[in-house]
Amino acid sequence: GAVVSQHPSWVICKSGTSVKIECRSLDFQATTMFWYRQFPKQSLMLMATSNEGSKATYEQGVEKDKFLINHASLTLSTLTVTSAHPEDSSFYICSARGVTGLTGELFFGEGSRLTVL
Amino acid sequence: GQNIDQPTEMTATEGAIVQINCTYQTSGFNGLFWYQQHAGEAPTFLSYNVLDGLEEKGRFSSFLSRSKGYSYLLLKELQMKDSASYLCAVLRDNFNKFYFGSGTKLNVKP
Repeated sequence: GAVVSQHPSWVICKSGTSVKIECRSLDFQATTMFWYRQFPKQSLMLMATSNEGSKATYEQGVEKDKFLINHASLTLSTLTVTSAHPEDSSFYICSARGVTGLTGELFFGEGSRLTVL
Repeated sequence: GQNIDQPTEMTATEGAIVQINCTYQTSGFNGLFWYQQHAGEAPTFLSYNVLDGLEEKGRFSSFLSRSKGYSYLLLKELQMKDSASYLCAVLRDNFNKFYFGSGTKLNVKP
């Protein structure tokens, strides 16, 4: 099946620094990528929808200046957590949807666990 | 949230059948998905429904009623490894929004 690779899997950073998380579709072209955040024992909360070549659409309550999303190509989207603080510590997951629009092409990356000290 | 509701937790016995329900209220419906998630891991795809009816895939089946805003995931011949969280998710707005329910934690006992 289709593969979505997310990197890094784990990251620990100091408060105030920025962290970039990459999401790549390895064997298909992803027109749309979804970015989620998941706190312990909670479900996935949609942060933003990213379409290739256009600005991301953020969910209500998600700061676009803090969570910068770039979808520069059909195989790569990045999420940058700027000026990270301990409350940003979470599990961040991307999901990618293919060009043909077949819903079977919605696949998840492995997730990135961010810990801000 | 997005009005996607699931029971918080369920317990069932190994070898039994369990049904996990999901209700939703949404416009621009493009499909409903079920995912399995083990603690600390990313979700894995189980099933997808866009038309009313039952989709069967091995031990897992999923049902959808669009008019009722209702779906269920049916797990047969439960195994211990089926202990996990089960998430239903709704795709909507011309495939541009993909929202998850709160998840149902399933505990399978011997």
